[in-house]
Amino acid sequence: AQSVSQHNHHVILSEAASLELGCNYSYGGTVNLFWYVQYPGQHLQLLLKYFSGDPLVKGIKGFEAEFIKSKFSFNLRKPSVQWSDTAEYFCAVRHYYGGSQGNLIFGKGTKLSVKP
Amino acid sequence: GAVVSQHPSWVICKSGTSVKIECRSLDFQATTMFWYRQFPKQSLMLMATSNEGSKATYEQGVEKDKFLINHASLTLSTLTVTSAHPEDSSFYICSVSPGAGNQPQHFGDGTRLSIL
Repeated sequence: AQSVSQHNHHVILSEAASLELGCNYSYGGTVNLFWYVQYPGQHLQLLLKYFSGDPLVKGIKGFEAEFIKSKFSFNLRKPSVQWSDTAEYFCAVRHYYGGSQGNLIFGKGTKLSVKP
Repeated sequence: GAVVSQHPSWVICKSGTSVKIECRSLDFQATTMFWYRQFPKQSLMLMATSNEGSKATYEQGVEKDKFLINHASLTLSTLTVTSAHPEDSSFYICSVSPGAGNQPQHFGDGTRLSIL
């Protein structure tokens, strides 16, 4: 079965520190890649997505992610985090099989706590 | 603004009762809606794909007689947890997709179901 791995369960950083959250997936074919963020008490919101083209994707709020096909990875980065970035971050992958769209598969999530 | 409205946000009820959760697509007509279940510190697990005007597609291991899904219109899908028991307590999240092609999914705020 296809799977998505997020390596860190809980990351604690101080403000202004740099952030990198790991995400690896198991499928070697065509994929769409997503990072969603869930702020406390809110619904999942799309942070950024990769469909094709430039593997370095810019998202909202200064986040970016890089798709490295050879490593099956889509790590999320931010140069300088803020207290308001405290949230849970989910990596998600959608596979394509013979032109048909598969379901969205989520990682377990990484909780980010930013200390002021 | 919100793209998906999910109601209720929290339900507490006695074992044996049935609970209905509504999911409305506010910004577009959604031929496809998804229902997820999330356990604490775990990933979102797809339960079923709800298709307007036809039967839902359930994932392996999800009891279709237990979790009844109705997608009667292009903007409304409902999930009914029948004869709920404490083990059904969980966080249920619906999601809508704008349609075919490379589109991200939009998520509701979720419903926390607690069965006593």
